[in-house]
Amino acid sequence: KNEVEQSPQNLTAQEGEFITINCSYSVGISALHWLQQHPGGGIVSLFMLSSGKKKHGRLIATINIQEKHSSLHITASHPRDSAVYICAVRPWAGGTSYGKLTFGQGTILTVHP
Amino acid sequence: EAGVTQFPSHSVIEKGQTVTLRCDPISGHDNLYWYRRVMGKEIKFLLHFVKESKQDESGMPNNRFLAERTGGTYSTLKVQPAELEDSGVYFCASSQAGLMRAGELFFGEGSRLTVL
Repeated sequence: KNEVEQSPQNLTAQEGEFITINCSYSVGISALHWLQQHPGGGIVSLFMLSSGKKKHGRLIATINIQEKHSSLHITASHPRDSAVYICAVRPWAGGTSYGKLTFGQGTILTVHP
Repeated sequence: EAGVTQFPSHSVIEKGQTVTLRCDPISGHDNLYWYRRVMGKEIKFLLHFVKESKQDESGMPNNRFLAERTGGTYSTLKVQPAELEDSGVYFCASSQAGLMRAGELFFGEGSRLTVL
């Protein structure tokens, strides 16, 4: 079992829908990243958070450290949001290698017009 | 400002051959990371450079992989000899020094390696 589990693995939505992607992890962490990868493209960092909630445009990320759980929400989804969304955690054991992340499998999001 | 660039974008080689992947981090970024995603699996950390020094290479799969970052600028990842299971996408990321910025990662587009 992977230390970072995402759900769902695949998600299809209609334009305008509210979307939630979940991430659960089993290790103690110092930070959690949400990443985005468009088809054929590179990885873009959306959020890095260690507590509470962050918002950027239509994207909202929350984390509950006690429950070892994070969610990524997309409000008013749009076809351009279609991408793979990846949750990655920085375990405490990573020391000073802040990019030594443990990744989830990713969630493939498809938003139809 | 240029982002993290990786070369080549796609390489197709035969088993037993050698391939060298290159990563140019954002100028001034001391931290450089290599990751890889093999088919159907999650992305895995390979190693971390701080300037020219290897800070953590615990994710390197075996001694067929050699990473260098001479001069603390660009980095290369050589696979020699390549095996079929080395196929995948190799990502590079960089970040600034300092506690506040070290975790802000900037990723490259990845280098897809296909070993036949």
